[in-house]
Amino acid sequence: GDSVTQMEGPVTLSEEAFLTINCTYTATGYPSLFWYVQYPGEGLQLLLKATKADDKGSNKGFEATYRKETTSFHLEKGSVQVSDSAVYFCALSGRAGNMLTFGGGTRLMVKP
Amino acid sequence: KAGVTQTPRYLIKTRGQQVTLSCSPISGHRSVSWYQQTPGQGLQFLFEYFSETQRNKGNFPGRFSGRQFSNSRSEMNVSTLELGDSALYLCASSPILSRDNRNTIYFGEGSWLTVV
Repeated sequence: GDSVTQMEGPVTLSEEAFLTINCTYTATGYPSLFWYVQYPGEGLQLLLKATKADDKGSNKGFEATYRKETTSFHLEKGSVQVSDSAVYFCALSGRAGNMLTFGGGTRLMVKP
Repeated sequence: KAGVTQTPRYLIKTRGQQVTLSCSPISGHRSVSWYQQTPGQGLQFLFEYFSETQRNKGNFPGRFSGRQFSNSRSEMNVSTLELGDSALYLCASSPILSRDNRNTIYFGEGSWLTVV
């Protein structure tokens, strides 16, 4: 079946540092890929998405490129802020309909 | 435009009881899905509804059920609650039931269920 693997956290960075959160997936066919963010006590917010190979999703300074050859969708940001502290989830939609398969989540802590 | 609205936000139930959670999707969205989030199992898909019909179902026991109304609002029910059902239950909505997998799925704030 489909699966998503994320790097385990927590990831602790200083403000303005470069961020990378690794995500790899296993799926048949051509999945769509997503990054969601969850702030404490809240639901999930869509951060970005990519629906085909070599697509780059971007939003609020975050980027991720759909790499089919390495089955990866790594999240990057050039300069993190304290307000980026949250849990980040990589997810895929591998078939028709709206069913998402999630990774385990990566907690990011940014220190001033 | 209002987002996905879930009620209640917090509730405490006793083992053996049942619970009903409600979800109002974003206006115009016709697909509603439910997820369970726990520290141990992470985020897991429960089921999806479109046009009042269950379209997809995750690997959960029959104690977990749901339905969708003609206005796209949805409810999920858990009967004979167990301690392990304590979780954040998230509802998500999407505009259409696409023939591919490219829909954007929007989540609500969730309902926090504690079973004691």
